[in-house]
Amino acid sequence: QQQVKQSPQSLIVQKGGISIINCAYENTAFDYFPWYQQFPGKGPALLIAIRPDVSEKKEGRFTISFNKSAKQFSLHIMDSQPGDSATYFCAASKGNAGKSTFGDGTTLTVKP
Amino acid sequence: GAVVSQHPSRVICKSGTSVKIECRSLDFQATTMFWYRQFPKQSLMLMATSNEGSKATYEQGVEKDKFLINHASLTLSTLTVTSAHPEDSSFYICSARVPSTDTQYFGPGTRLTVL
Repeated sequence: QQQVKQSPQSLIVQKGGISIINCAYENTAFDYFPWYQQFPGKGPALLIAIRPDVSEKKEGRFTISFNKSAKQFSLHIMDSQPGDSATYFCAASKGNAGKSTFGDGTTLTVKP
Repeated sequence: GAVVSQHPSRVICKSGTSVKIECRSLDFQATTMFWYRQFPKQSLMLMATSNEGSKATYEQGVEKDKFLINHASLTLSTLTVTSAHPEDSSFYICSARVPSTDTQYFGPGTRLTVL
C-alpha cells in the first residue's frame, strides 16, 4: 500500500510558466511534508517543507499548498526556468521518528 | 542548508568483495542518519535508520548481515556492503537529521557498480 501518491509522473512546462506537482497521503499521523529536488547523479536537496497547521508556505518561487481535509499537498513553481528541470519528490513523516515516506517522483522539464 | 558528505562518490568492485561507504554531517551533530537506495528513475527506498551509539533499525526485506551499518560518532555513519554481487549495484544515498527537528539533509550519493 503506497502511503504517498505523487502525480504527474512527468511534466513539461514552458519557461515562465507555472509547474504544479501534486501529492496525496493516507496516514493522518503524518505531520511533516517536505519537497526535494534531485538532479541526475546527485542527492536530493530540501526545497521547502510544511506542517499541517498552515495551508500555504512560500519561499521565493516555490509554494506549498496544503489541504488537510483532502490529505493532499502540492508544489507550485512560479516563473519556471530551464534550470528547474529536475526530478521532484514529495515526502511525509510523522513525529520525531523522522522516517520519511517518499512519492515516486515527478520529472520536470522546462523548455526555453 | 547543512552539508552532508559521502565518500566515495563512485566505486567499482569485483563480485564477492566488501565496500564501505562513509556519510558525514559536516556542520551539525546527527544522532540519526538514514541510508537509502535508489534505482534509475525510481524513488528513494529507505534501507535503515542509523542511531548513534545503538544498533541500526533495518526496513523489512533489507538483510542486516549484508548491509552493515555503524554509527560510531555524531558526525559519521558507515554502510558496508558485504560480499557484493552485481544485483547490489545501485545509487546509495545517506541523509542526516538535524537534532530535535524533522529536517533531513541528504548526501550527494555513492554510485556502486559490482562487476
